[in-house]
Parts: sequence; structure tokens; C-alpha cells
Amino acid sequence: GDSVTQTEGQVTVSESKSLIINCTYSTTSIAYPNLFWYVRYPGEGLQLLLKVITAGQKGSSRGFEATYNKETTSFHLQKASVQESDSAVYYCALGEGGNEKITFGAGTKLTIKP
Amino acid sequence: GPKVLQIPSHQIIDMGQMVTLNCDPVSNHLYFYWYKQILGQQMEFLVNFYNGKVMEKSKLFKDQFSVERPDGSYFTLKIQPTALEDSAVYFCASSSSQGAMEQYFGPGTRLTVL
Repeated sequence: GDSVTQTEGQVTVSESKSLIINCTYSTTSIAYPNLFWYVRYPGEGLQLLLKVITAGQKGSSRGFEATYNKETTSFHLQKASVQESDSAVYYCALGEGGNEKITFGAGTKLTIKP
Repeated sequence: GPKVLQIPSHQIIDMGQMVTLNCDPVSNHLYFYWYKQILGQQMEFLVNFYNGKVMEKSKLFKDQFSVERPDGSYFTLKIQPTALEDSAVYFCASSSSQGAMEQYFGPGTRLTVL
């Protein structure tokens, strides 16, 4: 089956510092899945942050970016300079296309220190 | 942006009783999904639904579960009878088309089975 691994359950970063949240994936059902980062801000519902559907390409949104690396089966989320408003839980996910069943990682809670 | 609503936000029910979770999807969306997240675990796909039919379901979608969207109203998840292991947060999602690559999620219904 498909799986998504986020190794860090919680990450704390000082404001204006850089961020990387690791994500690796495994899939047996499709060679090139669609890859996503979703975010849940405090008190809000899950929302799409960015998506990449083509291996080798980079997606970006709100200063965050992630590159679809099929060699290392990774899709790490990065930001050069975080803000306090980035505090949230971030979920890496993959979709098979078609009916788009989404497989989620466990989530990484990001806390920004002022 | 588009909003998915879920009613109620929290439901407490005795084991063996029936429960219906309601989802009000984005108005022009045609594809509907339910996901389940047990406390401390990953969000997992349950089922997707299109044109009055279940398209795909996971092993978590037990025989006691059913979904429907009568006459374009709420998209519902019914559990009858409930079991202790059904305690979780249930998230509804909708998308505009197959492979649309963006599912819009509701805030979740927390179900507690006593």
C-alpha cells in the first residue's frame, strides 16, 4: 500500500530562521503519485498549502516550497524565513490521481518562537 | 475560500446506537470523501462517493458504515451500530472533479462512543 512518513512530530523554530520539514513517501499502486502539503492552523480546518504532480518540479505557496524528488521519494517542505503566523500542523500527503484517495502523513506541529 | 461544513462538531453516543454525521460540501462539487482520524494517529481514507455511488472504500469502512447524499443535500456518514473503536474525528471533503487534486476539508466531527 501507500504510506507517507514525517519523521518529526514537533518542530520549534525561531522567527526569521529557516525551516525544513521532512517527508518521504512510498507507493505500490502508482509510479508517480501527486504530492501535497496540507496545513491546519489553530482553530481552522485542513487546507491545501501546495501541490506538485510532476516529478522533478517544485511547488510553492506563501513562501513555502517543496520539490518532488522521485529518486529519494521525498517531498520536504522548506521556508527561508518563518513567521509567527506559520505556527500550525503541516501534513504531507500523496494522491493516486483518478478518484484521488489521499494518504496522509502523521503531521508535524510547527511552533515559532518570537 | 470555499468552505465545507460539518454538523455536529462533537457527538457523544452510547455503543450500539446509530449515529449520522453530516457534511455540507462546497456547492458545485461532485466528489465527496470521508476520512477518519483516531486520536494520536494519522488521518485515513474511508470512502469516496460520486454520482450516488461509492467509488472506493478502505478496509476501515466496515459493513456498519454507509454513505449517501439524498437529493443534493447533506453528504452523510451513518454508523449503525456504533462500536467503541469508532471513536475518532471524522473529516468530510469534497472536490470539483475527478483528479482535481484539491480536496476541501471540513473542520471535522469528533465522535465519542461510550
